[in-house]
Amino acid sequence: GAVVSQHPSRVICKSGTSVKIECRSLDFQATTMFWYRQFPKQSLMLMATSNEGSKATYEQGVEKDKFLINHASLTLSTLTVTSAHPEDSSFYICSATPLVGPETQYFGPGTRLLVL
Amino acid sequence: GQQVMQIPQYQHVQEGEDFTTYCNSSTTLSNIQWYKQRPGGHPVFLIQLVKSGEVKKQKRLTFQFGEAKKNSSLHITATQTTDVGTYFCAGPRAAGNKLTFGGGTRVLVKP
Repeated sequence: GAVVSQHPSRVICKSGTSVKIECRSLDFQATTMFWYRQFPKQSLMLMATSNEGSKATYEQGVEKDKFLINHASLTLSTLTVTSAHPEDSSFYICSATPLVGPETQYFGPGTRLLVL
Repeated sequence: GQQVMQIPQYQHVQEGEDFTTYCNSSTTLSNIQWYKQRPGGHPVFLIQLVKSGEVKKQKRLTFQFGEAKKNSSLHITATQTTDVGTYFCAGPRAAGNKLTFGGGTRVLVKP
């Protein structure tokens, strides 16, 4: 149980384009979903917290207009990287906390974004 | 703000040997969580410790939560090549259910 999927797993795009990443909890409902970014050989850095039906809360230094988050249902959150630039290339990982049970975060497989 | 530190940053271990990695928080934690990330993979939840002084075992892995609930350790006995990866500890922030992750300990196993 507690499976989280992400799509796409890998994306290469040109600078200036927008990229949408989907995060789904497959077998549970999630009160909250989190979006992280991880650069090579570094730790996970929380970007934003996404709650169903309300606006996402962003961490300090993360541009909300650049990283658009939509939490359409208790099983789906999307992150759109708008006007992507090479410095946005990274590993983006989402996690979800089940509606019922301990506040453990279950991570998706991640999306590797490469902006040329 | 809250900081979570892990040492060592890198751990090279001979197969069959034991090692310990440590996690320290700048603030008292309600719980501590451990995750493992294999190379090229994503973090996978290992365990959560809640009580002061709590010790939990998972086969060759022993997790401990400090008495003051500000530090934790992970001890692996008889290291195997399957133990390769980065081990992260994470503690919840004071408000909400956000986690602050440590920098991780990257474990390499020499056969």
